[in-house]
Amino acid sequence: NAGVTQTPKFQVLKTGQSMTLQCAQDMNHEYMSWYRQDPGMGLRLIHYSVGAGITDQGEVPNGYNVSRSTTEDFPLRLLSAAPSQTSVYFCASRGTGSNYGYTFGSGTRLTVV
Amino acid sequence: AQSVTQPDIHITVSEGASLELRCNYSYGATPYLFWYVQSPGQGLQLLLKYFSGDTLVQGIKGFEAEFKRSQSSFNLRKPSVHWSDAAEYFCAVGESHYKLSFGAGTTVTVRA
Repeated sequence: NAGVTQTPKFQVLKTGQSMTLQCAQDMNHEYMSWYRQDPGMGLRLIHYSVGAGITDQGEVPNGYNVSRSTTEDFPLRLLSAAPSQTSVYFCASRGTGSNYGYTFGSGTRLTVV
Repeated sequence: AQSVTQPDIHITVSEGASLELRCNYSYGATPYLFWYVQSPGQGLQLLLKYFSGDTLVQGIKGFEAEFKRSQSSFNLRKPSVHWSDAAEYFCAVGESHYKLSFGAGTTVTVRA
């Protein structure tokens, strides 16, 4: 099925470890983004990309890196995990024109201990 | 910077009763407005969206929303709630072509 695929679904990290959350979409969307969801705060934008090779920071970028080497993939890297990064992470892509709208992945639940 | 406010953190409604979820935003231009629903442990599903035109928007699952520019509101409604509508609902505003700002969400509980 077409859409946004995130892996893994669950992850537990120790403080200081690094990891990469994967995100892939098969809708040929130029725009992709990463959000984190915390209770009572809705979703907050971490990083976004408007096309291959182009990324920019969102609202809460500290501690995260991204790159966009292909249209399909937009991985999120945690450089040195901290307990404050315990959250649910969502990747989204957005169509254009008549298909304007954000499609979200099913999320990655990350716990940092 | 714009903001999105969902004044109700939690709403309980009886099955078959009507439901209205409030959303207010602050934004200088004509916004792109969205409502998403999230079931426990799931991702976000788009219910409906408004870009321009008719201010009453129909969505999936029997939901509708009305854009009122004078009140800066985009309230979500459903005439008759089903138990499967129990979920968390998020209002979102397209701040620019690159950022979606979300409200804190409203949790809906449906009682039999």
